[in-house]
Amino acid sequence: DGGITQSPKYLFRKEGQNVTLSCEQNLNHDAMYWYRQDPGQGLRLIYYSQIVNDFQKGDIAEGYSVSREKKESFPLTVTSAQKNPTAFYLCASMGDNSPLHFGNGTRLTVT
Amino acid sequence: GQNIDQPTEMTATEGAIVQINCTYQTSGFNGLFWYQQHAGEAPTFLSYNVLDGLEEKGRFSSFLSRSKGYSYLLLKELQMKDSASYLCAVRPAGGSTLGRLYFGRGTQLTVWP
Repeated sequence: DGGITQSPKYLFRKEGQNVTLSCEQNLNHDAMYWYRQDPGQGLRLIYYSQIVNDFQKGDIAEGYSVSREKKESFPLTVTSAQKNPTAFYLCASMGDNSPLHFGNGTRLTVT
Repeated sequence: GQNIDQPTEMTATEGAIVQINCTYQTSGFNGLFWYQQHAGEAPTFLSYNVLDGLEEKGRFSSFLSRSKGYSYLLLKELQMKDSASYLCAVRPAGGSTLGRLYFGRGTQLTVWP
């Protein structure tokens, strides 16, 4: 079955540590996206990539970094520069003539 | 800037009909999406409108008026499992169809027995 896999589902880190969230898709979609969701909030775009080896900042890119070396993969690194990293992180992908598909999310807790 | 507005909360009774509105002001328009999100889960796609009118899909329908910058999601024969957040998202005009979507904050629907 085609889909988007985010791992792990829950992640715990100490403040000051960088952490990388995995996102893999086998839908053959060109575009991939990272959103952050806080309790009671909408989805806020962190970064997105429309093609391999290219990506653009979203609305809240500060403290985050991404790479897009392969079409299937779009990992997100939450750096120690991100002031409030505890959140629910959603990865998504989209292809021509398809809506945005979401992974199941990673809940990151930084203490 | 882009602005997507939805009511924050709505309540309804099992078996009833509810209409969730979404108004938008964006730099052009190239499609509107509705997603359902249960607590702690990922959003799932419900509907897509790019032309004016009503799209019906089972118990759910979505309407679009581009001239008014307005859409609604209509849920019929409500069930308890319809309790969720409903997200409206707009794709602005210009650029690639794979460009970003702009999301509203979501409408939390609670269905009571």
